[in-house]
Amino acid sequence: KQEVTQIPAALSVPEGENLVLNCSFTDSAIYNLQWFRQDPGKGLTSLLLIQSSQREQTSGRLNASLDKSSGRSTLYIAASQPGDSATYLCAVTDSWGKFQFGAGTQVVVTP
Amino acid sequence: EAQVTQNPRYLITVTGKKLTVTCSQNMNHEYMSWYRQDPGLGLRQIYYSMNVEVTDKGDVPEGYKVSRKEKRNFPLILESPSPNQTSLYFCASSYNTGVHETQYFGPGTRLLVL
Repeated sequence: KQEVTQIPAALSVPEGENLVLNCSFTDSAIYNLQWFRQDPGKGLTSLLLIQSSQREQTSGRLNASLDKSSGRSTLYIAASQPGDSATYLCAVTDSWGKFQFGAGTQVVVTP
Repeated sequence: EAQVTQNPRYLITVTGKKLTVTCSQNMNHEYMSWYRQDPGLGLRQIYYSMNVEVTDKGDVPEGYKVSRKEKRNFPLILESPSPNQTSLYFCASSYNTGVHETQYFGPGTRLLVL
């Protein structure tokens, strides 16, 4: 059974520092991997989607890498801002449409 | 505006009283899914649907039912709710689960079962 782990569970950084969030999964037979952001009391917002054949995706200050063989993905957020404070979740999908989420990393960016 | 809507947003009920949480999307998406979110456990998939009349179990389907009679709607039914179904529920949709698609999430339904 696929298991998705996110470490650390929580992270606090001063404004301006780069953020590095980790996601690992046990079964490399994934279809794609997505990173989401969740603000308190709100739904999830998709940040980046990486196809299983890709190594990375970029959007603005965000960059996500994927190493399928080692079962790892990393989300980098450059020059963090207080508005980046949120919980970040990764999710993997299999070819049948089944999603598996990690428990998330709660990020606080202090001014 | 493209969106996924859920109703109700908040619900308090008692054990055994059947309830339905509705989910609707206006993006003509084929794929729809239900999740529950619990502290420390993250999001867990309950059921998903690849298209009309096609549904499948996720990781935690026990105690839930779904139906997909039309493309835009995907209701979640709790026939006999129990306190362990107290949770935050999210509905999501995407055009399909192809490699270029991302999921759009509803705002969530907070359920308390007494």
